[in-house]
Formats: sequence, C-alpha cells, structure tokens
Amino acid sequence: AQSVTQPDIHITVSEGASLELRCNYSYGATPYLFWYVQSPGQGLQLLLKYFSGDTLVQGIKGFEAEFKRSQSSFNLRKPSVHWSDAAEYFCAVLDTSYGKLTFGQGTILTVHP
Amino acid sequence: SQTIHQWPATLVQPVGSPLSLECTVEGTSNPNLYWYRQAAGRGLQLLFYSVGIGQISSEVPQNLSASRPQDRQFILSSKKLLLSDSGFYLCALTVSGANVLTFGAGSRLTVL
Repeated sequence: AQSVTQPDIHITVSEGASLELRCNYSYGATPYLFWYVQSPGQGLQLLLKYFSGDTLVQGIKGFEAEFKRSQSSFNLRKPSVHWSDAAEYFCAVLDTSYGKLTFGQGTILTVHP
Repeated sequence: SQTIHQWPATLVQPVGSPLSLECTVEGTSNPNLYWYRQAAGRGLQLLFYSVGIGQISSEVPQNLSASRPQDRQFILSSKKLLLSDSGFYLCALTVSGANVLTFGAGSRLTVL
C-alpha cells in the first residue's frame, strides 16, 4: 500500500526566507503526487501536482516542487515566504485504481515577521 | 467548475447522540465522492468513498456509515457518537479522468 511521510511536523521561517518542505512517498508504480495547503478551519486547496514529464512542477502562489524518483521524494519549495503562507501543508500520493489519495501527516508552517 | 457544499459547518453533539453530515455537489455529474476525517495531529484519514449511487466502500472500521442517495449527495452518519468521533470532516470529489481531488470547506464536529 502507498504511504507518505512528511518528516517535519512544524517549521518556522522568517518572512522573505526560502522554504523547503520535505515529502517522501512509497508507491509501487509511477506516482501521482500532490501538495495541498490548508488554512486554519478551512478545506484543502491544491497547490500543485505531478503526473509525468518535467520533474520540476510549478504551482500557485509561487510554489514549486521537484520529483526525484531515486529518492522517492517530492519536496515543496518557495524562494521567498510571505506571512500569508502560514498554514498547514499536506503531501499526498494517488492510488489511481480508485482515485484515493493517501496523505502525509502534514507540516505546519509558521512565518515570523 | 465543481463546487462542494458541506453542512453544518460546525456541530457540537453529546456522546451517544446521532449524526448526519451532508455533502452536496454542483457543476459535475457522476463524481467519485469521498469522506475524510482530520483529527488533531493525525493528518487526513479516508473514511469512505463512493463511485456511484448506493455504492459505498469503507476504508476503516468504525461506528460511522455513509450513504449516497443521489448522484450529487453524500451523507455521513452515526447512530451513536463517541468522543473519538470529534474532528474535522471533509468531503471531496474527483471527476472521471481528472485525478485531482477537490475539497469542500469541511464540517467541524465536537463530541462532548
């Protein structure tokens, strides 16, 4: 069965600093990978996805992620964090048989002014 | 584009009481529908999914149940709530061939 690990439960960065959120997955075939963001008390919003092709994918809000098959990773990055980026971030892998997403435990991002 | 409506947005219920959370969808037909639960510090857990009317698959054993009486309606229920049922419940959908999950705004349940 597929699984997703987000090693960092909580990350704190200063506004303007760069950001990298880690994600490692386990999946038997070519993975479909996602990053979602959740603001407090809200649903999840899709940031970006990787299905195939270019391993560096661009998303909304200035985020990007790089798929590295050799490392089973799909890390999320942003060159300069804004205070509005404070939220919880979830990495997920899709089971294409049923359209089911398996999520990581999430990483809470705090941004200091 | 698809829209998911969930209600109630917030609910406080005593232990042992029944539960009904409703999810309705606009802007698409024959979606796959999902119920996820988000408990504090535990990420998102898939509870049920449905590929069509009356077709429900359960991912984890629990005292919750789901029903899909109409193509665009998905209901999460319980006959007797437990304290451990507290959490944030998210309804989601995928449309055929899209492979992207779209989420509703969620329903927060507190069981006291």
